[in-house]
Amino acid sequence: NAGVTQTPKFQVLKTGQSMTLQCAQDMNHEYMSWYRQDPGMGLRLIHYSVGAGITDQGEVPNGYNVSRSTTEDFPLRLLSAAPSQTSVYFCASSSGTARRGYTFGSGTRLTVV
Amino acid sequence: SQQGEEDPQALSIQEGENATMNCSYKTSINNLQWYRQNSGRGLVHLILIRSNEREKHSGRLRVTLDTSKKSSSLLITASRAADTASYFCATDATGTASKLTFGTGTRLQVTL
Repeated sequence: NAGVTQTPKFQVLKTGQSMTLQCAQDMNHEYMSWYRQDPGMGLRLIHYSVGAGITDQGEVPNGYNVSRSTTEDFPLRLLSAAPSQTSVYFCASSSGTARRGYTFGSGTRLTVV
Repeated sequence: SQQGEEDPQALSIQEGENATMNCSYKTSINNLQWYRQNSGRGLVHLILIRSNEREKHSGRLRVTLDTSKKSSSLLITASRAADTASYFCATDATGTASKLTFGTGTRLQVTL
């Protein structure tokens, strides 16, 4: 099993550009989440999904969109990139509930100039 | 806002010593989890303790939970250089099992 796969690993965007961060899991997990990690801030939840077709906002959703058309994929879209979105983005998945812990991808390091 | 706050922010010990990290949180929880993050990598789940449990062990890890004080501690015994990483607590607030709220982490350095 590959686990949680994130692409790309690195990306540089210009202010105002849009892009999609890809996330795929092959564990048939119901729950998937996107977090951003900034120095000294820990991880903050952007959006999450409890199943295909169901998404909801986390703590810092502004400037990001998500969709969950399949169980496997949970892409994160940046609508109009801003320097404040420079961060490391992590996708995570879990089976059923968070009680068994989340499996994280290796992250996407995004720089907006 | 962050739910959990880890203490200390950084910890440096020698191999073979024990490392203790603390986590405090603000609201009621369903469970609390600890994760490890090696530099430049994703997070790895270490251990989960439910709100009705007071202590849990897994190998060299020991986790305690005091819901009356809204705090948890992670003890790593007989530390190794490979334990060098950042450690995060994450809380699952009651009724929101799909969302974890992470603390700011403790950076552990284990030297030979």
